[in-house]
Amino acid sequence: DQQVKQNSPSLSVQEGRISILNCDYTNSMFDYFLWYKKYPAEGPTFLISISSIKDKNEDGRFTVFLNKSAKHLSLHIVPSQPGDSAVYFCAASGHGSSNTGKLIFGQGTTLQVKP
Amino acid sequence: DAMVIQNPRYQVTQFGKPVTLSCSQTLNHNVMYWYQQKSSQAPKLLFHYYDKDFNNEADTPDNFQSRRPNTSFCFLDIRSPGLGDAAMYLCATSRGGMTGELFFGEGSRLTVL
Repeated sequence: DQQVKQNSPSLSVQEGRISILNCDYTNSMFDYFLWYKKYPAEGPTFLISISSIKDKNEDGRFTVFLNKSAKHLSLHIVPSQPGDSAVYFCAASGHGSSNTGKLIFGQGTTLQVKP
Repeated sequence: DAMVIQNPRYQVTQFGKPVTLSCSQTLNHNVMYWYQQKSSQAPKLLFHYYDKDFNNEADTPDNFQSRRPNTSFCFLDIRSPGLGDAAMYLCATSRGGMTGELFFGEGSRLTVL
């Protein structure tokens, strides 16, 4: 029973265009969401996050949108650059009363940005 | 400057031969996590320590154990590896709290022959 789902295993976009990566979740107790980026042979690194009290968070070229009613979030990268090519993981936390910050991850979406 | 260091990066073992993976951190974070990631799947939390308090996920097999002798180090022991345990094992740390960012190591890739 996967609580965080990324239904698109891969995405290919042209340099300069917008990349949109999607994520759905099922647990209404989640109230904090994060995106991680992973290059081959490296560990995931934090990219951007959003609290459930917001519907948008922006950091440079990266914007995360949250639609709580649809239990859906998306990551927009604009403009996309070849260096953005990586695997992107969506993650969620906050269910239950745990304060240990454990994250539930999606399967990841491999983004390829073509020059 | 590596902050979460995993050793070894690559481990090959034989079916049933015990394996220990190590993780060290220089961040002085309270929480250390072990995730298992199989190819094209989501990283799956096995267990975590909040300081010395061990928290096992309900579906983590008994074959997997962990030790945290001090703040800086955490070990993952696989007592009798099976072919299905071949995966990338990711160690992560955080300060704790629901909005805490996790800092990951580079992972240890386990191959079981």
